[in-house]
Amino acid sequence: TQLLEQSPQFLSIQEGENLTVYCNSSSVFSSLQWYRQEPGEGPVLLVTVVTGGEVKKLKRLTFQFGDARKDSSLHITAAQPGDTGLYLCAGVMDTGRRALTFGSGTRLQVQP
Amino acid sequence: GAVVSQHPSRVICKSGTSVKIECRSLDFQATTMFWYRQFPKQSLMLMATSNEGSKATYEQGVEKDKFLINHASLTLSTLTVTSAHPEDSSFYICSARVQGTNYGYTFGSGTRLTVV
Repeated sequence: TQLLEQSPQFLSIQEGENLTVYCNSSSVFSSLQWYRQEPGEGPVLLVTVVTGGEVKKLKRLTFQFGDARKDSSLHITAAQPGDTGLYLCAGVMDTGRRALTFGSGTRLQVQP
Repeated sequence: GAVVSQHPSRVICKSGTSVKIECRSLDFQATTMFWYRQFPKQSLMLMATSNEGSKATYEQGVEKDKFLINHASLTLSTLTVTSAHPEDSSFYICSARVQGTNYGYTFGSGTRLTVV
């Protein structure tokens, strides 16, 4: 059982469309991060959210951390082919465990 | 910024042989490093937490005698896959938590292991 469930698992959209990726858990996280990974490379950090209800914007990307710190969402506006990749949420559990727990991943494909 | 250098990036080995993967923190000291495995089209799964100067902590289901972890210095952690089998073929990634930042983790570029 995946501790962090992402949905959808796969998304294929046209350039210019908007999309939202969800990351859900029954556990509380002290912080949650979003990464993007290209094939054959390590994940690259996009953002870290720490406070329940926090919203962060990074150009066309908007990240939200749930009030209870159990879920998060990533919204992309006007998607571009360069946004194609594997999006991963990852969290540090509130139990004091130091390792990041990764979500199941969302593979995004943006068609030109 | 904090960088973790991982080598080799790709390795092909024969069944039954051992392969060592290195991760070095280049401009910071990493008392703890994390080793992940990623199968095709899947997410990263934590294998073990490597602690400098002490034994690694392995996740449930990960064989400690097969995946040997050594963290002998503050800048180097190694993962040795012993007696490799084709089912060990995977993408292995290391990560370190950057000291001084509450939430910063940096990742190596990964090692693609193929066992033939």
